[in-house]
Amino acid sequence: KQEVTQIPAALSVPEGENLVLNCSFTDSAIYNLQWFRQDPGKGLTSLLLIQSSQREQTSGRLNASLDKSSGRSTLYIAASQPGDSATYLCAVILGGSARQLTFGSGTQLTVLP
Amino acid sequence: DVKVTQSSRYLVKRTGEKVFLECVQDMDHENMFWYRQDPGLGLRLIYFSYDVKMKEKGDIPEGYSVSREKKERFSLILESASTNQTSMYLCASSLPATSGQGGNQPQYFGDGTRLSIL
Repeated sequence: KQEVTQIPAALSVPEGENLVLNCSFTDSAIYNLQWFRQDPGKGLTSLLLIQSSQREQTSGRLNASLDKSSGRSTLYIAASQPGDSATYLCAVILGGSARQLTFGSGTQLTVLP
Repeated sequence: DVKVTQSSRYLVKRTGEKVFLECVQDMDHENMFWYRQDPGLGLRLIYFSYDVKMKEKGDIPEGYSVSREKKERFSLILESASTNQTSMYLCASSLPATSGQGGNQPQYFGDGTRLSIL
């Protein structure tokens, strides 16, 4: 059964720092990996989706990488801002099902002004 | 922009009641999903549907059923609500994986319904 782990569970950084969030998964036969952001009491906002054939995706100050063979993905946030404070979740879809996301438990990020 | 709308942000019901949670999407997506989110357990898939009148069980379907009579609407039903079903419920939708750029489509989520069962 696919398991997705995110470390650390919580992270606090001063404004302006570059930071990396980590995601690991046990079954490398994934179809794609998606990073989400969740604000308190809200739903999930899709940030980046990396297909299994890709190594990375970029959107603005965000860069997500994928290493299928080692079962790892990272989300890099450049020049962090207080508005980046949220919980970040990664999720994978296994090849074959092409539908069901398996989520990590998230990293709660606080960017201090 | 994709819009996934859940009918209620907050809902309070009593044990034993039949509860309906409604979700509507406006992007003609084939796939729709219901998750629940609990502290320490993360998001878990309850049911999903890949077409009208089609449904498949997720990881935790017990105590729930679903209805997909129209493409844009996916309903989650708690047949007889219990206190352990108090949770945040999230609906999502996506295009099928066989379409679009290389067949990978993101899931788009609603704002969630926080359901309390007393």
